[in-house]
Amino acid sequence: GAVVSQHPSWVICKSGTSVKIECRSLDFQATTMFWYRQFPKQSLMLMATSNEGSKATYEQGVEKDKFLINHASLTLSTLTVTSAHPEDSSFYICSARDLSGGEHTGELFFGEGSRLTVL
Amino acid sequence: GQNIDQPTEMTATEGAIVQINCTYQTSGFNGLFWYQQHAGEAPTFLSYNVLDGLEEKGRFSSFLSRSKGYSYLLLKELQMKDSASYLCAVKDSNYQLIWGAGTKLIIKP
Repeated sequence: GAVVSQHPSWVICKSGTSVKIECRSLDFQATTMFWYRQFPKQSLMLMATSNEGSKATYEQGVEKDKFLINHASLTLSTLTVTSAHPEDSSFYICSARDLSGGEHTGELFFGEGSRLTVL
Repeated sequence: GQNIDQPTEMTATEGAIVQINCTYQTSGFNGLFWYQQHAGEAPTFLSYNVLDGLEEKGRFSSFLSRSKGYSYLLLKELQMKDSASYLCAVKDSNYQLIWGAGTKLIIKP
């Protein structure tokens, strides 16, 4: 089946620094990718929809300048957490939909997730 | 507003059967998904229902009633590895996925 790879899996950084997380679709092209944030024991919260070749669509309450999304190619989207602070510590997950598998299923394939800890 | 409800936590015994319910109120409906998520890992796809009825896939089955805004995930012959959170998600009229908070399933020997 389709595979989505996310890197890095774990990252620890100092407060005030920026962290980039990559999301790649390994064997299919994804014009749209999704970025989620998940707090412990809570559901996935959609942060933004990443669109190849255009600006990302952010959900209400998500700071665009804080969470920079770039979808430069059909297989790569990046999320950059700028000037990270301890409250940004979370589990960030990306997903992509393999349309070649049939729009009818709409199945999303998820990356492994990236756990960010800001000290 | 849009809302998806599922129990916070359930406990079951190895080898038994458990049913996890999900009710939803969304703006439009374009399918309901069940995902399994082990602690610290990303979700994995279990099932998709868009028409009423039961979809069976091995030990797992998923049921949908659109008129009632209701679905359940049925897990049979429970194994210890089934201990995980189970997330219900509905695709609304804008084709956005609305997520439930998840049900933590604890399997006891």
